[in-house]
Amino acid sequence: GAVVSQHPSRVICKSGTSVKIECRSLDFQATTMFWYRQFPKKSLMLMATSNEGSKATYEQGVEKDKFLINHASLTLSTLTVTSAHPEDSSFYICSFQRSYNEQFFGPGTRLTVL
Amino acid sequence: AQSVTQLDSQVPVFEEAPVELRCNYSSSVSVYLFWYVQYPNQGLQLLLKYLSGSTLVKGINGFEAEFNKSQTSFHLRKPSVHISDTAEYFCAVSPSGTDKLIFGTGTRLQVFP
Repeated sequence: GAVVSQHPSRVICKSGTSVKIECRSLDFQATTMFWYRQFPKKSLMLMATSNEGSKATYEQGVEKDKFLINHASLTLSTLTVTSAHPEDSSFYICSFQRSYNEQFFGPGTRLTVL
Repeated sequence: AQSVTQLDSQVPVFEEAPVELRCNYSSSVSVYLFWYVQYPNQGLQLLLKYLSGSTLVKGINGFEAEFNKSQTSFHLRKPSVHISDTAEYFCAVSPSGTDKLIFGTGTRLQVFP
């Protein structure tokens, strides 16, 4: 299957700082990608859908000014958690869509905000 | 709105035994159904999916699932598990006509020797 990487795999930051998570598709180009968030023992929750070159579409309840998404190219997207607080601590997962109903997922980034 | 329920958070099983991981969903519209597996430190991988046609779907690694519309279920089965099947398994639905995936909370399959 296709390979999607995320960097960093783990990050610890102080409250009030911003953190950038990078997601790369290594072997295919994708117009559409997704960012998910996963709490312990909870399901993956879709945060936003991003199309290359366009503004991301955020799910209800997700603050677009806090979670900035930049889908700059067909193989790279970044999620920036601005002014992070402890409640933003979570597991963030990205995916790229290669075709309709075919997503390839990154391994996730564990964010801990102290 | 759609939702997915995976009632079993953990399923312990001995090697070579059969296993069934349960998944039920609710939706007012037609959906596509998926099972993903997540190994430690890796991204979710697609095991199988049901879009249309035969309700029995065969996937990778010997897994299969059956779509039961009347019971709104999509249970995952394997007749004989291996140690290497130890992983987290997620059931997901996608409302027809959308790209969105709605996930269940996952089932941890632990295979013992």
